[in-house]
Amino acid sequence: GAGVSQSPSNKVTEKGKDVELRCDPISGHTALYWYRQRLGQGLEFLIYFQGNSAPDKSGLPSDRFSAERTGESVSTLTIQRTQQEDSAVYLCASSPVFSGNTIYFGEGSWLTVV
Amino acid sequence: QQQVKQSPQSLIVQKGGISIINCAYENTAFDYFPWYQQFPGKGPALLIAIRPDVSEKKEGRFTISFNKSAKQFSLHIMDSQPGDSATYFCAASIRGGSQGNLIFGKGTKLSVKP
Repeated sequence: GAGVSQSPSNKVTEKGKDVELRCDPISGHTALYWYRQRLGQGLEFLIYFQGNSAPDKSGLPSDRFSAERTGESVSTLTIQRTQQEDSAVYLCASSPVFSGNTIYFGEGSWLTVV
Repeated sequence: QQQVKQSPQSLIVQKGGISIINCAYENTAFDYFPWYQQFPGKGPALLIAIRPDVSEKKEGRFTISFNKSAKQFSLHIMDSQPGDSATYFCAASIRGGSQGNLIFGKGTKLSVKP
């Protein structure tokens, strides 16, 4: 497709389980971002990938969160030992250049931890 | 110094009225100021953006006003329509900076009453 694709769109998991969320950026976009949005809240930066540079992980809230990206394509956000406070929409975005340009968001993965 | 402060948190406007959302920033290195619009269940989408070399940018009913000396920028929606009801996020970034991500405000939930 032409846009940023995220899967799953909805995920319900039990507390303590691990989850993986996938993001397929727009083809050719070198930068990829993950944000978290709790219900009715703003956008919380998690991690940023730019080409082959070391990712900016400064927004990851704990060591239970990690993300990987294969080259300039798919990224996976992993949350280990999920907690109820991890319930949120996880938004992925991509952009064609380093910064200062439009970033394009996917529709998000809605995670509910019960 | 990386914060972007957005107000109001919520806004109710009558159809045909003017909606005004304000943002303020501290970091004078910011040089790109976009506004994103988010409908329920969707990812944010770029609405309009401005760089600090101009004081105003207009696209249809949407206008960004930028005050560099006050470090403030605002979104004006003229002739507001019920279809404009959404959450609006201002953001800022540094083009070419070491941090690639946009810094978002906390969002304003706009409701336009018929």
